[in-house]
Amino acid sequence: GQNIDQPTEMTATEGAIVQINCTYQTSGFNGLFWYQQHAGEAPTFLSYNVLDGLEEKGRFSSFLSRSKGYSYLLLKELQMKDSASYLCAVREGAAGNKLTFGGGTRVLVKP
Amino acid sequence: NAGVMQNPRHLVRRRGQEARLRCSPMKGHSHVYWYRQLPEEGLKFMVYLQKENIIDESGMPKERFSAEFPKEGPSILRIQQVVRGDSAAYFCASSTIRGDGNTIYFGEGSWLTVV
Repeated sequence: GQNIDQPTEMTATEGAIVQINCTYQTSGFNGLFWYQQHAGEAPTFLSYNVLDGLEEKGRFSSFLSRSKGYSYLLLKELQMKDSASYLCAVREGAAGNKLTFGGGTRVLVKP
Repeated sequence: NAGVMQNPRHLVRRRGQEARLRCSPMKGHSHVYWYRQLPEEGLKFMVYLQKENIIDESGMPKERFSAEFPKEGPSILRIQQVVRGDSAAYFCASSTIRGDGNTIYFGEGSWLTVV
C-alpha cells in the first residue's frame, strides 16, 4: 500500500511564492504527478517527475527526491486564479497508470 | 482532458435506486480508470479496466458497485441500491498502455447526489 501526505491548506499573497510539500511511502515507485483542481472541476495535469531533480514549467516547478520519498510543487508569482487544490499522486508498478492520490492541499491566494 | 467524455455530469438518485455513470475514453486509449472523490477529500482509486477485462478492482466496495468496459461502447460504473454515502464526484481517466507525463487524461466528472 501507499501513504501520501500533504498539508491540508495553505494561504499566500498574490505575487508571492508557495511551496507545497508531499511525502510518500511506496514500493515500486514509478513516477509522481501533480494536478491542479478547481472546485467542481476535473484535475488538470501540472507536472510529472520520475527522476530526482527539478522540473520547471513556467511559473510551476516540481522537485523529487526518491531516496527521501519527498516532492514539492513550487508556485511562483502567484495569481488569484491559482487558488485551487493541488493534488500529489504516485504511480506504482511497471504496468498501467493507477495513481494513488494524497488528500490535496487547498491554496488560497489573497490580494 | 477534453477528450475523455463522462455523462451524466450531474445525477440525482433516491436511496435504493441504481446509478449508471458512463465514460468514453480519449480516442486511441484502451485503458480506463475510475476514481471517487468525496467532498473535501482527495481522489480514491476504484477500478482499472481494459477492453473486456478488469485489471485491478482493489478500490471497489465489495457490494453494490460494478464496472465494465465492453468491446464496443463506453465504460460503465454501476452503483446499485444507492445510499447517501455514495454521494460523490466520480472521475474517469484514460491512458494508453504506458503513461508518462500528461498522457493520463481525466474527464470532467459525474456528480452523484443521493437524496
